[in-house]
Amino acid sequence: EAAVTQSPRNKVAVTGGKVTLSCNQTNNHNNMYWYRQDTGHGLRLIHYSYGAGSTEKGDIPDGYKASRPSQENFSLILELATPSQTSVYFCASGDLDISYEQYFGPGTRLTVL
Amino acid sequence: AQSVTQPDARVTVSEGASLQLRCKYSYFGTPYLFWYVQYPRQGLQLLLKYYPGDPVVQGVNGFEAEFSKSNSSFHLRKASVHWSDWAVYFCAVRIASSSFSKLVFGQGTSLSVVP
Repeated sequence: EAAVTQSPRNKVAVTGGKVTLSCNQTNNHNNMYWYRQDTGHGLRLIHYSYGAGSTEKGDIPDGYKASRPSQENFSLILELATPSQTSVYFCASGDLDISYEQYFGPGTRLTVL
Repeated sequence: AQSVTQPDARVTVSEGASLQLRCKYSYFGTPYLFWYVQYPRQGLQLLLKYYPGDPVVQGVNGFEAEFSKSNSSFHLRKASVHWSDWAVYFCAVRIASSSFSKLVFGQGTSLSVVP
């Protein structure tokens, strides 16, 4: 069974603070993704990565950075958190071109006060 | 624009009744389509996926979906709903480019099951 884990599961941050969300996968997938989930919008892609050392902008990258230091780990970084970034964040790994599957982590609930 | 629309934000059904959740897609090309389920406080889990072939695809837990090119639809069905099906359901389409593929999700349909 494919495994994607995220930490922390819940986070409260202050406006202007730095937040780092971490994701680990044991699937040995090259591709990893970060999404945010908001009511009425479904999931929207923030950043993705082809492999260690690569990060690419998704559909809504403003205010976010990403880091992929290894095959297993993919982080999402909010340098200056704002209340509009309050959301649930999901990490995923997978291959949409061969197995047509993505595996999702359990999510991180972020509240920015 | 390439997108997915789930027109029903909330659906309530009685336990044992049949279910249909609607999904309409817009995609220039051959669509690869997915249904995911999200149980409370959990990540998304794949229910079923469609790629070109039989228009009716079977998934887990008795779910199936039917692809219709003429209607640009990919509706999810279940013959008899169980209380454990209470969850949020997302339809998604794969957007493929020369360099990368990604999923675009619909807004989700929240399913409630009543006795």
